Amino acid sequence: GQNIDQPTEMTATEGAIVQINCTYQTSGFNGLFWYQQHAGEAPTFLSYNVLDGLEEKGRFSSFLSRSKGYSYLLLKELQMKDSASYLCAVMDSNYQLIWGAGTKLIIKP
Amino acid sequence: TAGITQAPTSQILAAGRSMTLRCTQDMRHNAMYWYRQDLGLGLRLIHYSNTAGTTGKGEVPDGYSVSRANTDDFPLTLASAVPSQTSVYFCASSDRGNTEAFFGQGTRLTVV
Repeated sequence: GQNIDQPTEMTATEGAIVQINCTYQTSGFNGLFWYQQHAGEAPTFLSYNVLDGLEEKGRFSSFLSRSKGYSYLLLKELQMKDSASYLCAVMDSNYQLIWGAGTKLIIKP
Repeated sequence: TAGITQAPTSQILAAGRSMTLRCTQDMRHNAMYWYRQDLGLGLRLIHYSNTAGTTGKGEVPDGYSVSRANTDDFPLTLASAVPSQTSVYFCASSDRGNTEAFFGQGTRLTVV
């Protein structure tokens, strides 16, 4: 079966750095997405990785290792507004997105 | 720019009743999707459409139907609602199947 695993909840301190991991087992691979979802709101796109390596976008970076079925989202200089759920999703061989359950990130002052 | 709009925002529905959740996008995206999101579970695909005139079943299609008469609209119908269909429903669209998806604001449905 297809499976996306990410931690249920993480806590970090304002101004610090946090890494959210995602491991996947899917039938085929056509890219990995990270989305941010604030409570009661819709998911919004953060990043897309299809090749191995690190993609940096401001305070957020995303890393992919296809051979290990592994990705992480790195958030630097954490701000209170970063408190949200972070969703990992993999596009399979049929170009359908398989979603993880999300990681709830709690930022403390 | 409106993007993608869902209606209603929330609804309480009696079991056994039918209901259509509306979704409209103005981005001229080819692909559209309906997901449900339940606590502790990832987004689960109900139905999708890769282009106007075509639809396909996702992971959890039972009890739901969709149509795609034109590019902009992708309504989701519950023919006879059951309490297990209580969920938050998100409509999404993308330019092509392998690009980022844009989400509507969601419809919170409670079936009692």
